[in-house]
Amino acid sequence: DIQMTQSPSSLSASVGDRVTITCRASQGISNYLAWYQQKPGRVPKLLIYAASTLQSGVPSRFSGSGSGTDFTLTISSLQPEDVATYYCQKYNSRPWTFGQGTKVEIK
Amino acid sequence: EVQLVESGGGLVQPGGSLRLSCAASGFTVSSNYMSWVRQAPGKGLEWVSILYSGGTTYYADSVKGRFTISRDNSKNTLYLQMNSLRVEDTAVYYCARKDIVPYYAMDVWGQGTTVTVSS
Repeated sequence: DIQMTQSPSSLSASVGDRVTITCRASQGISNYLAWYQQKPGRVPKLLIYAASTLQSGVPSRFSGSGSGTDFTLTISSLQPEDVATYYCQKYNSRPWTFGQGTKVEIK
Repeated sequence: EVQLVESGGGLVQPGGSLRLSCAASGFTVSSNYMSWVRQAPGKGLEWVSILYSGGTTYYADSVKGRFTISRDNSKNTLYLQMNSLRVEDTAVYYCARKDIVPYYAMDVWGQGTTVTVSS
């Protein structure tokens, strides 16, 4: 099975900072990569699909890039409401594995 | 409004069974790919199972042979039959929709239902 590895596992940044989270697949997955945001006690929310396509209604400060094995989620200007755990997920083939998550906090 | 509402969670002893339901509104379950995803307490997301629009099913190795995903088209509802439950199956279980368009991801999630396996 393809493994998904996110880094870092957690980070602390200031409001307004640029934040970058990476996700690496153990084998190529083309662009079949999604990013989800899960705020504490809440349901996961789709942010980005097909590696770089912003889901409708998601703020434009979120962006995704990458293809093949290396992917990035960027928050261009961190806001207090972005405190959450972020997960990548591959869905090119089963199992649809998630990364282990990256917890984002405000410094 | 497009919505998923899970039910059926609860406390069950190891070795027991439980059936989760996921009622959909605003779209047709049988026209989409429907998945179950779980989250153990304090842990990350784990994909559990998928039911394709054509009826094909797949499972994570951790639940294969014990869980069965199905749907009732007349009720527009997805199910997860869980047998031979283990302590490690304790989690919040979410159902989620994925459009059949290949590059689309899971865009609609239910609120989750909690399953606790304990003696």
